[in-house]
Amino acid sequence: ELKVEQNPLFLSMQEGKNYTIYCNYSTTSDRLYWYRQDPGKSLESLFVLLSNGAVKQEGRLMASLDTKARLSTLHITAAVHDLSATYFCAVEGWEYGNKLVFGAGTILRVKS
Amino acid sequence: DAGITQSPRHKVTETGTPVTLRCHQTENHRYMYWYRQDPGHGLRLIHYSYGVKDTDKGEVSDGYSVSRSKTEDFLLTLESATSSQTSVYFCAISPGTSYEQFFGPGTRLTVL
Repeated sequence: ELKVEQNPLFLSMQEGKNYTIYCNYSTTSDRLYWYRQDPGKSLESLFVLLSNGAVKQEGRLMASLDTKARLSTLHITAAVHDLSATYFCAVEGWEYGNKLVFGAGTILRVKS
Repeated sequence: DAGITQSPRHKVTETGTPVTLRCHQTENHRYMYWYRQDPGHGLRLIHYSYGVKDTDKGEVSDGYSVSRSKTEDFLLTLESATSSQTSVYFCAISPGTSYEQFFGPGTRLTVL
């Protein structure tokens, strides 16, 4: 069974600070996705990571993938209030028919 | 935004009644998915479709059935709703595996 674990599950941080969200998964995969969800809204695609060593950046967010460690990170640089949301990672397991398995999500609150 | 609509957006029903949720896309994507979102569980796959009349079960398929008679429509049916099926249901689409999935606006279902 493919398991995806995110930590922390809740993160409260001050504006201007840096932090990292971790996504660990239990099986071989080189396909990982990050999504953002605002309260009461749908999921918005942030990053698509499709190979070992992949790094993508958009604004204050940077995502990376280490398939050997089965780990992806979402790094937040100089947080601003607008980044407050829930962030999900999702792993595509080829032996599971390429379906996505989601982590439980990290609730991020950026305080001014 | 990807052209995905879900109907209804909100529904309150009683235990034992049948319920059908509809997902409609205008992107002509091959793959369509139904997820449920519950606190602490992230998103869990209920059923998915990889083409007209081609469907398969996901992680939490018990109590749900699906149908896809046209490329653009994917229906999720709860034959006899139970309180444990109270949740937010999201439809997603993608052109194929190893592509990001695009999510619809969600349907909030309450089973009393």
